[in-house]
Amino acid sequence: SQTIHQWPATLVQPVGSPLSLECTVEGTSNPNLYWYRQAAGRGLQLLFYSVGIGQISSEVPQNLSASRPQDRQFILSSKKLLLSDSGFYLCAWLDRDTDTQYFGPGTRLTVL
Amino acid sequence: AQSVSQHNHHVILSEAASLELGCNYSYGGTVNLFWYVQYPGQHLQLLLKYFSGDPLVKGIKGFEAEFIKSKFSFNLRKPSVQWSDTAEYFCAVSPNSGYSTLTFGKGTMLLVSP
Repeated sequence: SQTIHQWPATLVQPVGSPLSLECTVEGTSNPNLYWYRQAAGRGLQLLFYSVGIGQISSEVPQNLSASRPQDRQFILSSKKLLLSDSGFYLCAWLDRDTDTQYFGPGTRLTVL
Repeated sequence: AQSVSQHNHHVILSEAASLELGCNYSYGGTVNLFWYVQYPGQHLQLLLKYFSGDPLVKGIKGFEAEFIKSKFSFNLRKPSVQWSDTAEYFCAVSPNSGYSTLTFGKGTMLLVSP
């Protein structure tokens, strides 16, 4: 069966520091992968999605970037964090057979 | 671009009460519709979904939702809630074509008191 992992689970970073969040999926190949963010008082917002290695689409222009160096690995990065980057970051993969996304456990990021 | 509106941000019910959470969406084409739930300390998980066919869909744990195309609505219902239904509920839509990206509502926090 498929499993999705995210790490770290929680992270506290100072403003201006870099960021790297990792997401990996097991049990499937060439999945569509997605990064979402849930900020306080807001719903989940799509940040990036990827349909294959090296293919990244950005939905919201911002301080973040994404990369997909391997088939089942999706990385969210920032060179310099802002206070507004605080939130709960979720990674998801798409089951193409059912056209349904399944989510990882998330990373709670606090920028101070 | 599509948008999703959830009517209530917080709902408080007593056990055995009936539940209906409203969801309306805005999109010019055909959509797939989802309800996800996040129980305290757990992953966001799929509750139910509608793609086509019978507009009344049943999900896990006794939940159901009805798609009303003319109202662009996909309301979630449960006849009798339990304390274990305390969670945050998210309505989401994705275009029927494309890369299956999801647009979520802001969520409804449901608190069920025993």
